[in-house]
Amino acid sequence: ETGVTQTPRHLVMGMTNKKSLKCEQHLGHNAMYWYKQSAKKPLELMFVYNFKEQTENNSVPSRFSPECPNSSHLFLHLHTLQPEDSALYLCASSQDAVAGIYEQYFGPGTRLTVT
Amino acid sequence: DAKTTQPTSMDCAEGRAANLPCNHSTISGNEYVYWYRQIHSQGPQYIIHGLKNNETNEMASLIITEDRKSSTLILPHATLRDTAVYYCIVRVGNDYKLSFGAGTTVTVRA
Repeated sequence: ETGVTQTPRHLVMGMTNKKSLKCEQHLGHNAMYWYKQSAKKPLELMFVYNFKEQTENNSVPSRFSPECPNSSHLFLHLHTLQPEDSALYLCASSQDAVAGIYEQYFGPGTRLTVT
Repeated sequence: DAKTTQPTSMDCAEGRAANLPCNHSTISGNEYVYWYRQIHSQGPQYIIHGLKNNETNEMASLIITEDRKSSTLILPHATLRDTAVYYCIVRVGNDYKLSFGAGTTVTVRA
Protein backbone atom coordinates (compact mmCIF):
# COMPACT_ATOMS: atom_id res chain seq x y z
CA GLU A 1 0.00 0.00 0.00
CA THR A 2 1.63 3.27 -1.09
CA GLY A 3 -1.39 5.57 -0.69
CA VAL A 4 0.02 7.12 2.49
CA THR A 5 3.77 7.48 2.92
CA GLN A 6 5.71 8.53 5.98
CA THR A 7 9.33 9.61 6.37
CA PRO A 8 11.54 8.83 8.04
CA ARG A 9 10.61 5.26 8.95
CA HIS A 10 12.94 5.27 11.93
CA LEU A 11 14.23 8.21 13.97
CA VAL A 12 16.46 8.42 17.00
CA MET A 13 16.72 11.81 18.62
CA GLY A 14 18.02 13.35 21.81
CA MET A 15 15.84 15.28 24.18
CA THR A 16 17.26 18.60 23.03
CA ASN A 17 16.91 17.94 19.30
CA LYS A 18 14.33 19.32 16.90
CA LYS A 19 13.08 17.03 14.19
CA SER A 20 10.05 16.70 11.92
CA LEU A 21 7.99 13.76 10.73
CA LYS A 22 6.46 13.96 7.27
CA CYS A 23 3.34 12.34 5.90
CA GLU A 24 2.06 12.48 2.33
CA GLN A 25 -1.13 10.99 0.95
CA HIS A 26 -1.75 10.25 -2.72
CA LEU A 27 -5.43 9.38 -2.38
CA GLY A 28 -7.03 12.76 -2.98
CA HIS A 29 -8.33 12.83 0.58
CA ASN A 30 -9.19 15.96 2.53
CA ALA A 31 -8.63 14.80 6.11
CA MET A 32 -5.37 13.78 7.74
CA TYR A 33 -4.61 12.45 11.20
CA TRP A 34 -1.68 11.85 13.55
CA TYR A 35 -1.83 8.90 15.93
CA LYS A 36 0.60 7.69 18.58
CA GLN A 37 1.05 4.02 19.42
CA SER A 38 3.11 3.28 22.50
CA ALA A 39 4.21 -0.22 23.43
CA LYS A 40 1.31 -2.34 24.67
CA LYS A 41 -1.15 0.56 24.41
CA PRO A 42 -4.00 1.22 21.99
CA LEU A 43 -3.61 3.82 19.27
CA GLU A 44 -4.16 7.34 20.53
CA LEU A 45 -5.50 10.04 18.25
CA MET A 46 -3.35 13.18 18.50
CA PHE A 47 -4.44 15.67 15.82
CA VAL A 48 -6.99 15.92 13.04
CA TYR A 49 -6.93 18.22 10.03
CA ASN A 50 -9.87 18.62 7.69
CA PHE A 51 -9.38 20.68 4.52
CA LYS A 52 -6.10 22.00 6.03
CA GLU A 53 -7.81 23.24 9.18
CA GLN A 54 -7.03 21.66 12.53
CA THR A 55 -10.24 20.29 13.95
CA GLU A 56 -8.93 18.34 16.90
CA ASN A 57 -6.04 18.50 19.33
CA ASN A 58 -6.45 15.63 21.74
CA SER A 59 -4.70 17.33 24.68
CA VAL A 60 -1.31 16.80 23.10
CA PRO A 61 1.69 18.48 24.79
CA SER A 62 3.04 21.55 23.02
CA ARG A 63 6.36 19.82 22.30
CA PHE A 64 4.42 18.22 19.44
CA SER A 65 3.47 20.78 16.79
CA PRO A 66 1.51 19.74 13.69
CA GLU A 67 1.47 21.52 10.37
CA CYS A 68 -0.76 20.91 7.36
CA PRO A 69 0.28 23.12 4.42
CA ASN A 70 -2.14 21.42 2.02
CA SER A 71 -4.51 18.47 1.97
CA SER A 72 -1.80 16.10 0.80
CA HIS A 73 0.92 16.84 3.34
CA LEU A 74 1.06 16.67 7.10
CA PHE A 75 4.02 17.32 9.36
CA LEU A 76 4.67 16.72 13.03
CA HIS A 77 7.39 18.97 14.42
CA LEU A 78 9.12 17.63 17.50
CA HIS A 79 11.17 19.51 20.07
CA THR A 80 12.43 18.84 23.59
CA LEU A 81 10.84 15.43 23.69
CA GLN A 82 10.93 13.07 26.64
CA PRO A 83 11.91 9.38 26.61
CA GLU A 84 8.25 8.45 27.20
CA ASP A 85 7.47 9.99 23.81
CA SER A 86 9.21 7.04 22.17
CA ALA A 87 6.52 5.32 20.12
CA LEU A 88 5.26 4.50 16.65
CA TYR A 89 3.75 7.62 15.10
CA LEU A 90 1.14 6.91 12.49
CA CYS A 91 -0.39 9.16 9.90
CA ALA A 92 -3.76 8.45 8.32
CA SER A 93 -6.06 10.06 5.77
CA SER A 94 -9.72 9.81 4.84
CA GLN A 95 -12.11 11.42 2.39
CA ASP A 96 -13.07 13.97 5.02
CA ALA A 97 -13.51 14.24 8.76
CA VAL A 98 -16.89 15.89 8.95
CA ALA A 99 -19.53 13.66 7.53
CA GLY A 100 -19.93 10.23 6.13
CA ILE A 101 -18.49 6.91 7.13
CA TYR A 102 -15.21 7.11 5.34
CA GLU A 103 -12.55 4.65 6.31
CA GLN A 104 -9.08 5.83 7.27
CA TYR A 105 -5.98 4.72 5.42
CA PHE A 106 -2.80 4.54 7.45
CA GLY A 107 0.82 5.00 6.57
CA PRO A 108 3.56 2.62 7.71
CA GLY A 109 4.51 4.79 10.66
CA THR A 110 7.68 6.37 12.02
CA ARG A 111 9.36 4.48 14.84
CA LEU A 112 10.67 7.24 17.14
CA THR A 113 13.18 6.65 19.90
CA VAL A 114 14.03 9.50 22.26
CA THR A 115 17.31 9.07 24.09
CA ASP B 1 -18.94 4.84 21.02
CA ALA B 2 -20.08 1.36 22.05
CA LYS B 3 -17.50 -0.82 23.74
CA THR B 4 -16.39 -3.98 21.97
CA THR B 5 -15.17 -7.26 23.39
CA GLN B 6 -12.85 -9.54 21.45
CA PRO B 7 -10.87 -12.64 22.40
CA THR B 8 -7.27 -11.84 23.22
CA SER B 9 -5.81 -14.31 20.77
CA MET B 10 -6.62 -17.14 18.41
CA ASP B 11 -4.81 -19.53 16.13
CA CYS B 12 -5.94 -20.81 12.80
CA ALA B 13 -4.55 -23.13 10.15
CA GLU B 14 -3.30 -21.87 6.83
CA GLY B 15 -5.86 -22.35 4.09
CA ARG B 16 -8.76 -22.65 6.49
CA ALA B 17 -11.38 -20.03 7.24
CA ALA B 18 -10.68 -17.80 10.24
CA ASN B 19 -13.75 -16.64 12.16
CA LEU B 20 -13.11 -13.68 14.45
CA PRO B 21 -15.90 -12.83 16.90
CA CYS B 22 -16.73 -9.43 18.36
CA ASN B 23 -19.34 -8.52 20.94
CA HIS B 24 -20.86 -5.04 20.95
CA SER B 25 -23.98 -5.48 23.03
CA THR B 26 -24.44 -1.73 23.68
CA ILE B 27 -24.27 -0.69 20.03
CA SER B 28 -26.63 2.09 19.00
CA GLY B 29 -28.78 2.14 15.92
CA ASN B 30 -26.54 4.66 14.15
CA GLU B 31 -23.24 2.96 14.91
CA TYR B 32 -21.33 1.03 12.29
CA VAL B 33 -19.07 -1.97 12.86
CA TYR B 34 -15.57 -1.55 11.43
CA TRP B 35 -12.71 -3.99 11.22
CA TYR B 36 -9.06 -3.04 10.88
CA ARG B 37 -5.94 -5.12 11.23
CA GLN B 38 -2.36 -4.27 12.09
CA ILE B 39 0.50 -6.43 10.96
CA HIS B 40 3.49 -6.18 13.27
CA SER B 41 5.09 -2.69 13.26
CA GLN B 42 2.97 -1.49 10.35
CA GLY B 43 0.06 0.93 10.17
CA PRO B 44 -3.47 -0.40 10.62
CA GLN B 45 -5.23 -1.54 7.46
CA TYR B 46 -8.94 -1.09 6.83
CA ILE B 47 -10.72 -4.38 6.13
CA ILE B 48 -14.47 -3.93 6.02
CA HIS B 49 -17.41 -2.23 7.68
CA GLY B 50 -21.17 -2.68 7.95
CA LEU B 51 -24.32 -1.39 9.61
CA LYS B 52 -26.98 -4.10 9.50
CA ASN B 53 -26.47 -6.27 6.48
CA ASN B 54 -23.72 -8.78 5.92
CA GLU B 55 -20.89 -7.42 3.79
CA THR B 56 -18.24 -9.02 1.63
CA ASN B 57 -15.23 -7.64 -0.17
CA GLU B 58 -12.03 -9.03 -1.60
CA MET B 59 -10.45 -9.34 1.83
CA ALA B 60 -13.17 -10.67 4.10
CA SER B 61 -16.83 -11.11 4.99
CA LEU B 62 -18.63 -9.44 7.86
CA ILE B 63 -21.58 -11.18 9.44
CA ILE B 64 -23.69 -9.04 11.80
CA THR B 65 -26.34 -10.70 13.95
CA GLU B 66 -29.93 -9.58 13.54
CA ASP B 67 -29.93 -7.82 16.93
CA ARG B 68 -26.57 -6.24 15.98
CA LYS B 69 -25.08 -7.13 19.36
CA SER B 70 -22.29 -9.18 17.87
CA SER B 71 -20.49 -9.74 14.61
CA THR B 72 -17.98 -12.11 13.02
CA LEU B 73 -15.19 -11.29 10.61
CA ILE B 74 -14.45 -14.16 8.28
CA LEU B 75 -11.16 -14.54 6.44
CA PRO B 76 -12.14 -17.23 3.94
CA HIS B 77 -8.73 -18.77 3.28
CA ALA B 78 -6.22 -17.63 5.85
CA THR B 79 -2.59 -17.25 4.79
CA LEU B 80 0.53 -16.69 6.84
CA ARG B 81 0.38 -13.03 5.79
CA ASP B 82 -2.93 -12.68 7.63
CA THR B 83 -1.10 -13.00 10.97
CA ALA B 84 -1.91 -9.67 12.66
CA VAL B 85 -3.87 -7.95 15.40
CA TYR B 86 -7.49 -7.54 14.34
CA TYR B 87 -9.53 -4.67 15.74
CA CYS B 88 -13.31 -4.53 15.90
CA ILE B 89 -14.50 -0.92 16.27
CA VAL B 90 -17.98 0.54 16.45
CA ARG B 91 -18.52 4.19 15.69
CA VAL B 92 -21.22 6.61 14.73
CA GLY B 93 -21.46 7.05 10.99
CA ASN B 94 -20.66 10.75 10.98
CA ASP B 95 -17.85 10.58 13.53
CA TYR B 96 -14.31 10.19 12.24
CA LYS B 97 -12.92 8.98 15.55
CA LEU B 98 -11.67 5.41 15.69
CA SER B 99 -11.21 3.94 19.17
CA PHE B 100 -8.79 1.06 18.93
CA GLY B 101 -8.92 -1.42 21.79
CA ALA B 102 -6.58 -4.34 22.39
CA GLY B 103 -7.90 -6.39 19.46
CA THR B 104 -7.44 -10.09 18.75
CA THR B 105 -3.96 -11.39 17.95
CA VAL B 106 -4.47 -13.89 15.15
CA THR B 107 -1.68 -16.31 14.35
CA VAL B 108 -1.97 -18.32 11.16
CA ARG B 109 0.07 -21.52 11.32
CA ALA B 110 1.33 -23.58 8.41
